[in-house]
Amino acid sequence: ETGVTQSPTHLIKTRGQQVTLRCSSQSGHNTVSWYQQALGQGPQFIFQYYREEENGRGNFPPRFSGLQFPNYSSELNVNALELDDSALYLCASSLGLYNEQFFGPGTRLTVL
Amino acid sequence: GEDVEQSLFLSVREGDSSVINCTYTDSSSTYLYWYKQEPGAGLQLLTYIFSNMDMKQDQRLTVLLNKKDKHLSLRIADTQTGDSAIYFCAPGGDSGAGSYQLTFGKGTKLSVIP
Repeated sequence: ETGVTQSPTHLIKTRGQQVTLRCSSQSGHNTVSWYQQALGQGPQFIFQYYREEENGRGNFPPRFSGLQFPNYSSELNVNALELDDSALYLCASSLGLYNEQFFGPGTRLTVL
Repeated sequence: GEDVEQSLFLSVREGDSSVINCTYTDSSSTYLYWYKQEPGAGLQLLTYIFSNMDMKQDQRLTVLLNKKDKHLSLRIADTQTGDSAIYFCAPGGDSGAGSYQLTFGKGTKLSVIP
């Protein structure tokens, strides 16, 4: 059974650019949640996708958007990058909305 | 919204027990999770407890939940150097907007002295 995978591992962008991060959920998991973890902090909830629909969002602006595909993999898009967007972006998949969330290794984004 | 507090640092000797404490504010949390994060890595799910339980044991790990005081603890027996990491408690609950989200504190960095 393959766990949660994320790509790329690391990414460097400049202010104002756009970025797309990818997540493949664990086999059979239909729910993907995205979290942002700034250095020295705990992860913060960005949004959740359930069966291809956004199912709630945390306190993040609309320039953070996402998609979930029919195979339940997911993308996180961030437009107009700001320096404060530099963080580890984690995705987590679960078998349903209320089941345990299993995290991928994360994508380290650096905005210069 | 939910607020989660943990001590930032804990240092123990190899072979001793470690106890990591957590307090939270949202009494409607259904499951409460413990995650481990090693440097540069994602989060590994260690264990969890359902909100109607007060204790759960899983090999070297014991979780205690005091729902009245909104206090959760993780005890690691016979702590090893490989247990050195950051530990997060994460209550899970409805966001009010339909999603089920985990709320994390800043985590407790456990250092194990050989």
